[in-house]
Amino acid sequence: NAGVTQTPKFRILKIGQSMTLQCTQDMNHNYMYWYRQDPGMGLKLIYYSVGAGITDKGEVPNGYNVSRSTTEDFPLRLELAAPSQTSVYFCATQLVQGTGWAFFGQGTRLTVV
Amino acid sequence: EDQVTQSPEALRLQEGESSSLNCSYTVSGLRGLFWYRQDPGKGPEFLFTLYSAGEEKEKERLKATLTKKESFLHITAPKPEDSATYLCAVQVKAAGNKLTFGGGTRVLVKP
Repeated sequence: NAGVTQTPKFRILKIGQSMTLQCTQDMNHNYMYWYRQDPGMGLKLIYYSVGAGITDKGEVPNGYNVSRSTTEDFPLRLELAAPSQTSVYFCATQLVQGTGWAFFGQGTRLTVV
Repeated sequence: EDQVTQSPEALRLQEGESSSLNCSYTVSGLRGLFWYRQDPGKGPEFLFTLYSAGEEKEKERLKATLTKKESFLHITAPKPEDSATYLCAVQVKAAGNKLTFGGGTRVLVKP
């Protein structure tokens, strides 16, 4: 039982490059989230999804895109990477919103240079 | 706008010195309040969920309480292994059920 798996764990991007952060879960949870965490700060919501085919913006969606074609996968796409996107990215899943806790992946540390 | 504020930002404790962390929130229609622990380089780990004012939850040396405006995480007789960042999050009915986090409290317990 892997829970929530994020890949890659680390990545260095050059300004203007693009990449996809992968998030896969094996718990059959409906709700999935992408957060970013800057050093010494809390988590800010980028995008979330309440089920396959449904996504919505969080607090800081600019510069990112998501898709949710299956229950298991919720990839986060960075287009035209900028230094401001240097952060640690966490994916989380939740069985039912508000009635259960969210499980987090181990994070992807991204540096844009 | 929904807001979650945690205080203090950082806390240094001697082993055995009890203390409390605060999470204050201004939201409409709280669906749940969550406490997480985060160790360096790792994802947040769930501790507690609180749903209504007056509710309390306990786990080892940690106890979480909830009022209509804030939640407290009490650490009783802490040990060095309790050193971590503690995060508070709220889920709000009217905000698309987004999970919104506070800035966290970094706790360091010295032996």
